[in-house]
Amino acid sequence: DAKTTQPTSMDCAEGRAANLPCNHSTISGNEYVYWYRQIHSQGPQYIIHGLKNNETNEMASLIITEDRKSSTLILPHATLRDTAVYYCVKSGTYKYIFGTGTRLKVLA
Amino acid sequence: DSGVTQTPKHLITATGQRVTLRCSPRSGDLSVYWYQQSLDQGLQFLIHYYNGEERAKGNILERFSAQQFPDLHSELNLSSLELGDSALYFCASSATSGGNTGELFFGEGSRLTVL
Repeated sequence: DAKTTQPTSMDCAEGRAANLPCNHSTISGNEYVYWYRQIHSQGPQYIIHGLKNNETNEMASLIITEDRKSSTLILPHATLRDTAVYYCVKSGTYKYIFGTGTRLKVLA
Repeated sequence: DSGVTQTPKHLITATGQRVTLRCSPRSGDLSVYWYQQSLDQGLQFLIHYYNGEERAKGNILERFSAQQFPDLHSELNLSSLELGDSALYFCASSATSGGNTGELFFGEGSRLTVL
């Protein structure tokens, strides 16, 4: 079975960049990489997505390797409100499959 | 507020019972996705409907079923409930179906407790 793996947890100092990695055992050419975050038990919130090019929006940047099996979500200046579980998601035909998630703790 | 409404927010029931969870997608969204999140676990994809038709199934048990109605709301039916079915059940909606539909909009979830 295809697997998406992420570190279980990470810490980041407030104001510093948080770099969250994600690895896919397999990824097809038409499968997008999405990132979502979940604060406590609320519904997950969209952050960013991409296919093969690096992407940036007002929240974050997404770096995707050339073979597309790895991606990194970058929160450029982490704040305490960024403490959450971050999910890497593979989106293919009619499915969004969530990874195991990284619990990010931003430290004051 | 994502615009996705899920009811009930909390539900407590006994083993062997049957429950129905309801989801109203954002106005104009045709796709509905259901996910299960057990305690401290990730989100497991259950099923996806688009404009009333089932488009994809994930790890959904045979005791579970879903449908999407002509007004686009969706219901997830869970029967012969077991203790292990206790979880948060999330519904998400999107405008279209497929790999690059943009973001999914999630509801706040229905927390099911089976005693």
